[in-house]
Amino acid sequence: AQSVTQLDSQVPVFEEAPVELRCNYSSSVSVYLFWYVQYPNQGLQLLLKYLSGSTLVKGINGFEAEFNKSQTSFHLRKPSVHISDTAEYFCAVSSPGGSEKLVFGKGTKLTVNP
Amino acid sequence: DADVTQTPRNRITKTGKRIMLECSQTKGHDRMYWYRQDPGLGLRLIYYSFDVKDINKGEISDGYSVSRQAQAKFSLSLESAIPNQTALYFCATSDAGTGVTDTQYFGPGTRLTVL
Repeated sequence: AQSVTQLDSQVPVFEEAPVELRCNYSSSVSVYLFWYVQYPNQGLQLLLKYLSGSTLVKGINGFEAEFNKSQTSFHLRKPSVHISDTAEYFCAVSSPGGSEKLVFGKGTKLTVNP
Repeated sequence: DADVTQTPRNRITKTGKRIMLECSQTKGHDRMYWYRQDPGLGLRLIYYSFDVKDINKGEISDGYSVSRQAQAKFSLSLESAIPNQTALYFCATSDAGTGVTDTQYFGPGTRLTVL
């Protein structure tokens, strides 16, 4: 069975500071990896995804993530955050060719302070 | 117009009542999903449907049922609501036909409170 661990439930940062949101996964097969963002009072939307190929994935709003197979990690980074990045971020995993269900982590609440 | 819509957006009900949450999509996707979100627990899959005749239980299906009335419509029912079903419910869709699978598109959510 697959699982996702988001190591930090809350991450406070100041505006224009860099941020890293950590995600580790557990799977016995190859994986697809995703980061979704949920802005206050909204549904989730896809930030970026890793399916195959380059391990550095760039997404929307200046976010990027790096797939590290040896460390089973898919950490999300942004070099300089804005107030508008305040949201909850979810890491998710699925397997190609399998049931194609997404398994989500518990989320990391990013708060960007002025 | 939103591609994935959910009705109602908010609902307060009493223990024992039957509740239906509805989801409609205009994306033309075959696959639809129902999740619930609880603070600190992330999203958990309740049911999913890969087409009108293919419905599957997810991680936490007990106490819930679903109906896929058409490709575009997927309803979630609570036959007899209980307080621990108070949560935020999301519908999502995905398209497995393009070869780039598993990007899911979420509706805005339904906040359900069971008193």
